Amino acid sequence: SQTIHQWPATLVQPVGSPLSLECTVEGTSNPNLYWYRQAAGRGLQLLFYSVGIGQISSEVPQNLSASRPQDRQFILSSKKLLLSDSGFYLCASHRVNTEAFFGQGTRLTVV
Amino acid sequence: QKEVEQNSGPLSVPEGAIASLNCTYSDRGSQSFFWYRQYSGKSPELIMFIYSNGDKEDGRFTAQLNKASQYVSLLIRDSQPSDSATYLCAFSGGFKTIFGAGTRLFVKA
Repeated sequence: SQTIHQWPATLVQPVGSPLSLECTVEGTSNPNLYWYRQAAGRGLQLLFYSVGIGQISSEVPQNLSASRPQDRQFILSSKKLLLSDSGFYLCASHRVNTEAFFGQGTRLTVV
Repeated sequence: QKEVEQNSGPLSVPEGAIASLNCTYSDRGSQSFFWYRQYSGKSPELIMFIYSNGDKEDGRFTAQLNKASQYVSLLIRDSQPSDSATYLCAFSGGFKTIFGAGTRLFVKA
């Protein structure tokens, strides 16, 4: 089965600083990859998804961007973090109509 | 806008009781439905998936799907304190999976 590696587990960043979260996938090829954000006590908000190298779909206009430089690598970035960017970020992989596999998540606190 | 509606809870049940979690969804074309369990501070993990109308049982868990009513439920029999978590209902809509906000379940010992 698939394994999603995501790091770091926790991150505290000042407002205005840049962000880079990386996610890599093992155990599958050509995965569909996803970035979700979960605010405290809330559901999963889909931020970006990618069906292939260099292909990014953005779901919510915001202060973040995503890139997919390799088949099994997905990166979430920001040039300048806002307080509202705080949350639990999850990288996931799944094929159409199948279960999602999640990484361990990154708890981002912007201060 | 495709949506999933869940009662946020918390739902509190005594140990050994049956916990019943419910979910409605908006997309009549959805083919796949999922229940995930999420412990505090952790990522979601799949508990059950169901594709066809009716019941599907796996150990202490039973998922029920009624496509005509756009309704999915999860029953947890013989609830244990370790079942205390947030349960997310989800359905697959093409490339995307749409998640509900989750129902918090507390199982009292």
